[in-house]
Amino acid sequence: KQEVTQIPAALSVPEGENLVLNCSFTDSAIYNLQWFRQDPGKGLTSLLLIQSSQREQTSGRLNASLDKSSGRSTLYIAASQPGDSATYLCLPFGNEKLTFGTGTRLTIIP
Amino acid sequence: DAGITQSPRHKVTETGTPVTLRCHQTENHRYMYWYRQDPGHGLRLIHYSYGVKDTDKGEVSDGYSVSRSKTEDFLLTLESATSSQTSVYFCAIQVTQGGNTGELFFGEGSRLTVL
Repeated sequence: KQEVTQIPAALSVPEGENLVLNCSFTDSAIYNLQWFRQDPGKGLTSLLLIQSSQREQTSGRLNASLDKSSGRSTLYIAASQPGDSATYLCLPFGNEKLTFGTGTRLTIIP
Repeated sequence: DAGITQSPRHKVTETGTPVTLRCHQTENHRYMYWYRQDPGHGLRLIHYSYGVKDTDKGEVSDGYSVSRSKTEDFLLTLESATSSQTSVYFCAIQVTQGGNTGELFFGEGSRLTVL
């Protein structure tokens, strides 16, 4: 059974800082990994999808990397803004029973 | 949003009553999922479907059943609702790209309160 861990569970940083969110998974036999954000009371918004043939994917200020052999993915956020405050979730795609991490709650302090 | 609609968006019901939540997609994606989200537990998979009449259980399937009689609709039924099933329910579809399963997209959620 896939187990997904996201550390830290919560993070507060001043506006403008660069930051890294971590995702670890136990089953490295995955074919994709997706990062989401979730605002309070809202659904999940897809941020980035990394396919197994890729090592990283970029979208604007976001950069996600994937190291299947070590069971790790990181989400790098550059020049953080208050609007980045949300919960960030990762989802490794290893089989049909897709298991989420518990998320990192990010707060950007103006 | 990949054309996903959940209904109802909010529902309050009493213990012991049946409840059905509907997930509708406007495209013809094969994979559909139902999750519940609770404080302290994150998102947990209830059931998923990989085609019409093809469904399987997730990690928290007890007390829930699903049906998929046509591609666009995936129904989640609580046969006899209990207070422990008070939660926010999310439906998701997985977009197929070039024959490979790809990105997951979520609906806006259905908030269920069981009194």
